[in-house]
Amino acid sequence: DTAVSQTPKYLVTQMGNDKSIKCEQNLGHDTMYWYKQDSKKFLKIMFSYNNKELIINETVPNRFSPKSPDKAHLNLHINSLELGDSAVYFCASSQVPGIQETQYFGPGTRLLVL
Amino acid sequence: AQSVTQPDIHITVSEGASLELRCNYSYGATPYLFWYVQSPGQGLQLLLKYFSGDTLVQGIKGFEAEFKRSQSSFNLRKPSVHWSDAAEYFCAVGLDYKLSFGAGTTVTVRA
Repeated sequence: DTAVSQTPKYLVTQMGNDKSIKCEQNLGHDTMYWYKQDSKKFLKIMFSYNNKELIINETVPNRFSPKSPDKAHLNLHINSLELGDSAVYFCASSQVPGIQETQYFGPGTRLLVL
Repeated sequence: AQSVTQPDIHITVSEGASLELRCNYSYGATPYLFWYVQSPGQGLQLLLKYFSGDTLVQGIKGFEAEFKRSQSSFNLRKPSVHWSDAAEYFCAVGLDYKLSFGAGTTVTVRA
């Protein structure tokens, strides 16, 4: 069983389009995260939700909107895609918030904007 | 500014040789420290973490790391690498609810 899964695995799209990435965890965790890994492999947190409530919102363009329909799911919707959005997006989860908690990462979604 | 530095972008090591990856941090207090590994095309997996106590931490896959407060370092070591250790290694620091990652070190293992 995959603990943290993401769909799609690959996403190629045109500039200006709107796309969504889905994340699901079956670990029973309360907290979920979205990270962006750029072309230089630099990883940065974007958002975090705890029990469907937003608790971390880094400096991310308004075109990015996370949605958590329930504790097990955290989706990322991106409007008006730009070339600079090309990256690998990782979802992660932890049992509760708090930096001492181990975060479990999904396999990533590779987004390419043309 | 608070930061995490991994000085080595790329390390090549022979199978069976020892490996050491460097990590330095600059924070006011002792932060929570982590090492993650990312195998090609995969997500990140936690190798080990340090919060307090014994400064030598044992992790999975035969890795260990040593926290040295005087050097603000948290270096990762493995006595004998296997070909499957070829991956990207990230040091991370935890502060507030967030992990801040270093730029990563790519490890290549040659036969």
